[in-house]
Amino acid sequence: EPEVTQTPSHQVTQMGQEVILRCVPISNHLYFYWYRQILGQKVEFLVSFYNNEISEKSEIFDDQFSVERPDGSNFTLKIRSTKLEDSAMYFCASSEGGAPETQYFGPGTRLLVL
Amino acid sequence: AQTVTQSQPEMSVQEAETVTLSCTYDTSENNYYLFWYKQPPSRQMILVIRQEAYKQQNATENRFSVNFQKAAKSFSLKISDSQLGDTAMYFCAFMKRGGGSNYKLTFGKGTLLTVNP
Repeated sequence: EPEVTQTPSHQVTQMGQEVILRCVPISNHLYFYWYRQILGQKVEFLVSFYNNEISEKSEIFDDQFSVERPDGSNFTLKIRSTKLEDSAMYFCASSEGGAPETQYFGPGTRLLVL
Repeated sequence: AQTVTQSQPEMSVQEAETVTLSCTYDTSENNYYLFWYKQPPSRQMILVIRQEAYKQQNATENRFSVNFQKAAKSFSLKISDSQLGDTAMYFCAFMKRGGGSNYKLTFGKGTLLTVNP
């Protein structure tokens, strides 16, 4: 069965550094999402992406964050200048259509900012 | 804005028994979807079951069923004949129904279910 994959599984970075988290959605899916979960807290929506543009972003998704689908298969989340509070598990998800299509989640990237 | 509350951080059940996980939500929307997702240890989050708010009939998927009480804004998950493989974190989630191209999920904090042999 097709799966969403994410790389790396873990990343440690210094505060102020740029990080890029990578996701490969399921190939025929059209909607893409990033969520994050800070340890002990809820899974939170960051951004949704459709038709090569952001369709919605949360308050968390400020100017330090950006998303891109550079080559038709990868979907990336870039954090330009990481902060300590960006430490979290980041989940990518994709769906074939809109609501109520199932969103398929990747295994996550655990980001630790020191 | 929508909120989802799971009041049971952890639960345990004996193998083959039945367990119910609670979820309440708050919304001013009338049309929406509710989901239960399961995340086994070190594995992907996967969909367990989905309920459309405009449907009165409770959704069922094999051993998994929901008790959807729209007026009470309650959406509990019942797992019958629990199996060791049901051990996981269970997340309740809400999605607004509407136009446009945004279909974000709003999650609860999760309930860690342990099935004991």
